[in-house]
Amino acid sequence: QQQVKQSPQSLIVQKGGISIINCAYENTAFDYFPWYQQFPGKGPALLIAIRPDVSEKKEGRFTISFNKSAKQFSLHIMDSQPGDSATYFCAARADYKLSFGAGTTVTVRA
Amino acid sequence: KAGVTQTPRYLIKTRGQQVTLSCSPISGHRSVSWYQQTPGQGLQFLFEYFSETQRNKGNFPGRFSGRQFSNSRSEMNVSTLELGDSALYLCASSQGTSNTGELFFGEGSRLTVL
Repeated sequence: QQQVKQSPQSLIVQKGGISIINCAYENTAFDYFPWYQQFPGKGPALLIAIRPDVSEKKEGRFTISFNKSAKQFSLHIMDSQPGDSATYFCAARADYKLSFGAGTTVTVRA
Repeated sequence: KAGVTQTPRYLIKTRGQQVTLSCSPISGHRSVSWYQQTPGQGLQFLFEYFSETQRNKGNFPGRFSGRQFSNSRSEMNVSTLELGDSALYLCASSQGTSNTGELFFGEGSRLTVL
Protein backbone atom coordinates (compact mmCIF):
# COMPACT_ATOMS: atom_id res chain seq x y z
CA GLN A 1 0.00 0.00 0.00
CA GLN A 2 1.47 3.29 -1.17
CA GLN A 3 1.75 5.61 1.84
CA VAL A 4 2.46 8.61 -0.37
CA LYS A 5 0.30 9.16 -3.45
CA GLN A 6 1.88 11.17 -6.26
CA SER A 7 0.36 12.69 -9.40
CA PRO A 8 0.56 13.07 -12.30
CA GLN A 9 2.49 10.04 -13.53
CA SER A 10 4.01 12.15 -16.29
CA LEU A 11 3.83 15.65 -17.66
CA ILE A 12 5.13 17.62 -20.61
CA VAL A 13 5.89 21.31 -20.29
CA GLN A 14 7.29 23.90 -22.65
CA LYS A 15 10.60 25.56 -21.87
CA GLY A 16 9.94 28.45 -19.53
CA GLY A 17 6.69 26.96 -18.26
CA ILE A 18 5.72 25.78 -14.77
CA SER A 19 5.70 22.12 -13.74
CA ILE A 20 3.49 21.17 -10.79
CA ILE A 21 3.63 17.79 -9.04
CA ASN A 22 1.27 16.90 -6.21
CA CYS A 23 1.57 14.44 -3.34
CA ALA A 24 -0.76 13.35 -0.54
CA TYR A 25 -0.19 11.29 2.59
CA GLU A 26 -2.17 9.85 5.50
CA ASN A 27 0.39 9.05 8.17
CA THR A 28 0.57 11.98 10.59
CA ALA A 29 3.83 10.62 12.00
CA PHE A 30 5.67 11.86 8.91
CA ASP A 31 7.76 14.88 9.86
CA TYR A 32 10.10 15.39 6.91
CA PHE A 33 9.12 15.74 3.28
CA PRO A 34 11.93 15.71 0.69
CA TRP A 35 11.78 15.78 -3.08
CA TYR A 36 14.26 13.85 -5.16
CA GLN A 37 15.26 14.19 -8.81
CA GLN A 38 16.49 11.14 -10.67
CA PHE A 39 18.12 10.91 -14.09
CA PRO A 40 18.35 7.58 -15.97
CA GLY A 41 21.16 5.43 -14.60
CA LYS A 42 21.69 7.64 -11.56
CA GLY A 43 20.63 7.54 -7.94
CA PRO A 44 18.01 9.99 -6.63
CA ALA A 45 19.44 13.41 -5.82
CA LEU A 46 17.97 15.51 -3.01
CA LEU A 47 16.33 18.58 -4.54
CA ILE A 48 14.55 20.36 -1.71
CA ALA A 49 12.88 19.36 1.56
CA ILE A 50 10.37 20.79 4.00
CA ARG A 51 9.18 20.18 7.56
CA PRO A 52 5.45 20.31 8.42
CA ASP A 53 5.76 23.49 10.50
CA VAL A 54 6.55 25.45 7.32
CA SER A 55 3.97 26.16 4.59
CA GLU A 56 6.35 27.04 1.79
CA LYS A 57 10.03 26.73 0.95
CA LYS A 58 11.78 28.10 -2.10
CA GLU A 59 15.21 27.28 -3.47
CA GLY A 60 15.99 28.85 -6.79
CA ARG A 61 13.40 27.76 -9.33
CA PHE A 62 12.02 25.04 -7.04
CA THR A 63 9.25 25.66 -4.48
CA ILE A 64 7.53 23.27 -2.09
CA SER A 65 4.06 24.17 -0.87
CA PHE A 66 2.84 22.28 2.19
CA ASN A 67 -0.72 22.02 3.51
CA LYS A 68 -0.62 20.19 6.83
CA SER A 69 -4.39 20.13 7.41
CA ALA A 70 -5.04 18.63 3.98
CA LYS A 71 -2.00 16.32 4.24
CA GLN A 72 -0.83 17.46 0.83
CA PHE A 73 2.35 18.93 -0.56
CA SER A 74 3.48 19.94 -3.99
CA LEU A 75 6.56 20.82 -6.00
CA HIS A 76 6.54 23.75 -8.39
CA ILE A 77 9.33 24.05 -10.96
CA MET A 78 9.36 27.58 -12.34
CA ASP A 79 10.90 28.55 -15.69
CA SER A 80 11.33 24.86 -16.61
CA GLN A 81 14.47 24.05 -18.61
CA PRO A 82 15.32 21.05 -20.83
CA GLY A 83 17.88 20.03 -18.18
CA ASP A 84 15.00 19.59 -15.72
CA SER A 85 13.74 16.62 -17.74
CA ALA A 86 13.91 13.81 -15.18
CA THR A 87 11.81 11.72 -12.83
CA TYR A 88 10.77 13.45 -9.62
CA PHE A 89 9.85 11.62 -6.43
CA CYS A 90 8.14 13.03 -3.39
CA ALA A 91 8.80 11.26 -0.12
CA ALA A 92 7.86 11.37 3.54
CA ARG A 93 9.90 10.14 6.47
CA ALA A 94 9.04 8.65 9.84
CA ASP A 95 11.19 6.44 12.09
CA TYR A 96 14.18 6.97 9.77
CA LYS A 97 12.26 5.35 6.92
CA LEU A 98 11.42 7.15 3.67
CA SER A 99 8.16 6.30 1.92
CA PHE A 100 8.25 7.36 -1.72
CA GLY A 101 5.60 8.38 -4.18
CA ALA A 102 5.46 6.50 -7.48
CA GLY A 103 7.32 9.24 -9.35
CA THR A 104 6.52 11.79 -12.05
CA THR A 105 8.40 11.86 -15.33
CA VAL A 106 8.81 15.45 -16.45
CA THR A 107 9.68 16.26 -20.06
CA VAL A 108 10.59 19.83 -20.91
CA ARG A 109 10.21 20.64 -24.60
CA ALA A 110 12.56 23.25 -26.02
CA LYS B 1 33.63 15.72 0.07
CA ALA B 2 33.05 12.29 -1.44
CA GLY B 3 29.47 11.13 -1.85
CA VAL B 4 27.92 7.78 -1.07
CA THR B 5 29.86 5.00 -2.80
CA GLN B 6 28.27 1.71 -3.75
CA THR B 7 30.01 -1.38 -5.10
CA PRO B 8 29.68 -3.20 -7.36
CA ARG B 9 27.75 -0.98 -9.76
CA TYR B 10 26.52 -3.86 -11.90
CA LEU B 11 26.29 -7.57 -11.33
CA ILE B 12 24.61 -10.60 -12.82
CA LYS B 13 23.68 -13.65 -10.76
CA THR B 14 21.62 -16.76 -11.31
CA ARG B 15 18.64 -17.96 -9.31
CA GLY B 16 19.57 -19.59 -6.03
CA GLN B 17 22.85 -17.74 -5.65
CA GLN B 18 23.53 -15.10 -3.04
CA VAL B 19 24.88 -11.59 -3.38
CA THR B 20 26.55 -9.04 -1.13
CA LEU B 21 26.42 -5.32 -1.88
CA SER B 22 28.59 -2.72 -0.22
CA CYS B 23 28.02 0.90 0.73
CA SER B 24 30.41 3.54 2.03
CA PRO B 25 28.55 6.55 3.45
CA ILE B 26 29.54 10.18 3.30
CA SER B 27 32.32 10.90 5.77
CA GLY B 28 30.87 11.70 9.18
CA HIS B 29 27.50 10.11 8.47
CA ARG B 30 26.54 7.37 10.89
CA SER B 31 23.24 6.23 9.36
CA VAL B 32 22.96 4.02 6.31
CA SER B 33 19.71 2.87 4.78
CA TRP B 34 18.95 0.63 1.83
CA TYR B 35 16.20 0.86 -0.78
CA GLN B 36 15.13 -1.34 -3.66
CA GLN B 37 13.98 0.31 -6.87
CA THR B 38 12.02 -1.58 -9.52
CA PRO B 39 9.78 -0.35 -12.35
CA GLY B 40 6.77 -2.12 -10.86
CA GLN B 41 7.12 -1.40 -7.14
CA GLY B 42 9.06 1.86 -7.24
CA LEU B 43 11.34 2.74 -4.34
CA GLN B 44 10.90 0.55 -1.30
CA PHE B 45 12.65 0.71 2.06
CA LEU B 46 14.69 -2.31 3.08
CA PHE B 47 16.38 -1.33 6.38
CA GLU B 48 18.24 1.39 8.22
CA TYR B 49 21.31 1.17 10.46
CA PHE B 50 22.79 3.62 12.91
CA SER B 51 25.94 2.94 14.89
CA GLU B 52 25.83 -0.74 13.91
CA THR B 53 22.22 -1.17 15.11
CA GLN B 54 19.23 -1.76 12.89
CA ARG B 55 16.63 0.87 13.77
CA ASN B 56 13.97 0.06 11.21
CA LYS B 57 13.16 -2.67 8.74
CA GLY B 58 10.88 -2.80 5.72
CA ASN B 59 8.54 -5.56 4.59
CA PHE B 60 11.00 -7.83 2.83
CA PRO B 61 11.54 -11.55 3.40
CA GLY B 62 14.32 -12.79 5.65
CA ARG B 63 16.49 -13.51 2.59
CA PHE B 64 17.33 -9.82 2.69
CA SER B 65 19.72 -8.90 5.46
CA GLY B 66 22.20 -6.19 6.25
CA ARG B 67 24.80 -5.04 8.68
CA GLN B 68 26.83 -1.99 9.54
CA PHE B 69 30.42 -1.88 10.64
CA SER B 70 32.08 0.34 13.21
CA ASN B 71 33.36 2.66 10.45
CA SER B 72 29.71 3.14 9.31
CA ARG B 73 30.23 1.18 6.11
CA SER B 74 27.34 -1.16 5.39
CA GLU B 75 26.65 -4.32 3.48
CA MET B 76 23.43 -5.93 2.44
CA ASN B 77 23.04 -9.57 1.50
CA VAL B 78 20.38 -11.34 -0.50
CA SER B 79 20.38 -15.12 -0.29
CA THR B 80 18.66 -17.67 -2.54
CA LEU B 81 18.14 -15.13 -5.29
CA GLU B 82 14.86 -15.06 -7.19
CA LEU B 83 14.12 -13.51 -10.58
CA GLY B 84 12.04 -10.84 -8.83
CA ASP B 85 15.10 -9.63 -6.93
CA SER B 86 16.39 -7.99 -10.10
CA ALA B 87 16.46 -4.33 -9.19
CA LEU B 88 18.52 -1.26 -8.52
CA TYR B 89 19.64 -1.36 -4.89
CA LEU B 90 20.26 2.08 -3.48
CA CYS B 91 22.14 3.03 -0.37
CA ALA B 92 21.57 6.35 1.36
CA SER B 93 23.43 8.01 4.19
CA SER B 94 22.65 10.72 6.70
CA GLN B 95 24.04 11.99 9.96
CA GLY B 96 21.36 9.90 11.60
CA THR B 97 20.79 11.94 14.73
CA SER B 98 17.44 13.31 13.55
CA ASN B 99 14.59 11.90 11.49
CA THR B 100 14.56 15.22 9.61
CA GLY B 101 18.19 15.09 8.56
CA GLU B 102 19.08 15.18 4.87
CA LEU B 103 19.42 11.82 3.19
CA PHE B 104 21.86 11.38 0.30
CA PHE B 105 21.77 8.48 -2.15
CA GLY B 106 24.51 6.65 -3.99
CA GLU B 107 24.37 5.67 -7.67
CA GLY B 108 23.10 2.20 -6.80
CA SER B 109 24.03 -1.39 -7.55
CA ARG B 110 22.13 -2.83 -10.50
CA LEU B 111 21.44 -6.54 -9.87
CA THR B 112 20.21 -8.80 -12.64
CA VAL B 113 19.07 -12.30 -11.70
CA LEU B 114 18.90 -14.84 -14.53
